[in-house]
Amino acid sequence: DIQMTQSPSSLSASVGDRVTITCRASQSISTYLNWFQQKPGKAPNLLISDTSTLQNGVPSRFSGSGSGTDFTLTVSSLQPEDFAIYYCQQSYSTPITFGQGTRLEIK
Amino acid sequence: QAQLVQSGAEVKKPGASVKVSCKTSGYIFSSYGISWVRQAPGQGPEWMGWISVHNGNTNYAQKFQGRVTMTTDTSTRTAYMELRSLRSDDTAVYYCARDPNVRNYDSSGSLLDSWGQGTLVTVSS
Repeated sequence: DIQMTQSPSSLSASVGDRVTITCRASQSISTYLNWFQQKPGKAPNLLISDTSTLQNGVPSRFSGSGSGTDFTLTVSSLQPEDFAIYYCQQSYSTPITFGQGTRLEIK
Repeated sequence: QAQLVQSGAEVKKPGASVKVSCKTSGYIFSSYGISWVRQAPGQGPEWMGWISVHNGNTNYAQKFQGRVTMTTDTSTRTAYMELRSLRSDDTAVYYCARDPNVRNYDSSGSLLDSWGQGTLVTVSS
């Protein structure tokens, strides 16, 4: 199975900050990388597919980049509703696997 | 838009089985598959497998082979996931999610864009 490792595991930031979350795959996954946001007590919500494609309704302050084994999710200017846990997920091979998550907290 | 509504929380003893349901609406049921994902407390999500609503094909994660069965009922637009021989480490929230893979599973097409609200399964003696 492909292992997905996220860093940092937690991050404190303020409204208006620019933040970047990193995801590393244990082998090359081309650009088959998706990002999810999860709020307490809710299901994960798909934000970005195929490394950089924003889903409908996702604000443009979110962006994704990378290829091969290294990927990033960037939020250009944090808003109060962005404080949540973020997961990367590879869809290169079965079983699809998720990272352990990055908790984004208010400073 | 797509809605997936799951059955309520369950408490089971070790060795028992649990069956979770996922009732769908708002899209053409047979035009998508259903993936099941679970999330243990404080952990990342874990994909359990997929079922085709179109033809009943399944693709289970090796970890759950022999212990999980996924089915669908097209008359009620409902998907089911049964997990047997429960252990304490099966305690988790179980989610169904709409999966664009229709006939056969291809991980590259597994874009989970709509999810149920989750079902907490607690395994405890």
